[in-house]
Amino acid sequence: DIQMTQSPSTLSASVGDTITITCRASQSINDWLAWYQQRPGKAPKLLIYKASTLERGVPSRFRGSGSGTDYTLTVSNLQPDDVGTYYCQQYSNYRMYAFGQGTKLEIK
Amino acid sequence: EVQLVESGGGLVQPGGSLRLSCAASGFTFRNYAMIWVRQAPGQGLEWVSGIDDNSVVTYYADSVKGRFTISRDNSKNTLYLQINSLRAEDTAMYYCVKDPGGDEKRCYWGQGTLLTVSS
Repeated sequence: DIQMTQSPSTLSASVGDTITITCRASQSINDWLAWYQQRPGKAPKLLIYKASTLERGVPSRFRGSGSGTDYTLTVSNLQPDDVGTYYCQQYSNYRMYAFGQGTKLEIK
Repeated sequence: EVQLVESGGGLVQPGGSLRLSCAASGFTFRNYAMIWVRQAPGQGLEWVSGIDDNSVVTYYADSVKGRFTISRDNSKNTLYLQINSLRAEDTAMYYCVKDPGGDEKRCYWGQGTLLTVSS
């Protein structure tokens, strides 16, 4: 089974900052990596899929990168609306998706 | 537009059973594998079960194996999750997820249905 290790678990940053969240897979996932933002009481919202493709309607401040086993979500020019918990997801095979543990982002 | 609408959640006593449903529209349901993902209150996301497009193969997380049964009715464009021998730790929001296929590279999620197991 593929395991995903996401870091950091919490993040506190200011408006205008640039933040980075990383996710490492236990084996190569061939870029089948998505990033989600989740606000309390809401379903996860897709931000990035296939490692670097920006979902329609998501601001270009969000950028996904990486390959093989190591992936990164970068959010630039942080806005108050960016608060929430961010998850990475590997979906290389429907037999077992795997999720990172989540990164809770707080705006100072 | 892809739409996934879950239903069937509610308050159930420990040891009870329940069937969750996910009504799919906006795509050719019979062509795609489907998945259930859950999220316990205050916790992260957990893959629960997956089924191929023709119901030939099914997969389960170890935590639910033997108690959960995933199925689908392609004539009704509906995915199901039968949950038996419910435990308090099954309390969660359950999401229906469409697997990518063909030229598509992304998943689609429903809004979820809440299952609470409590006496």
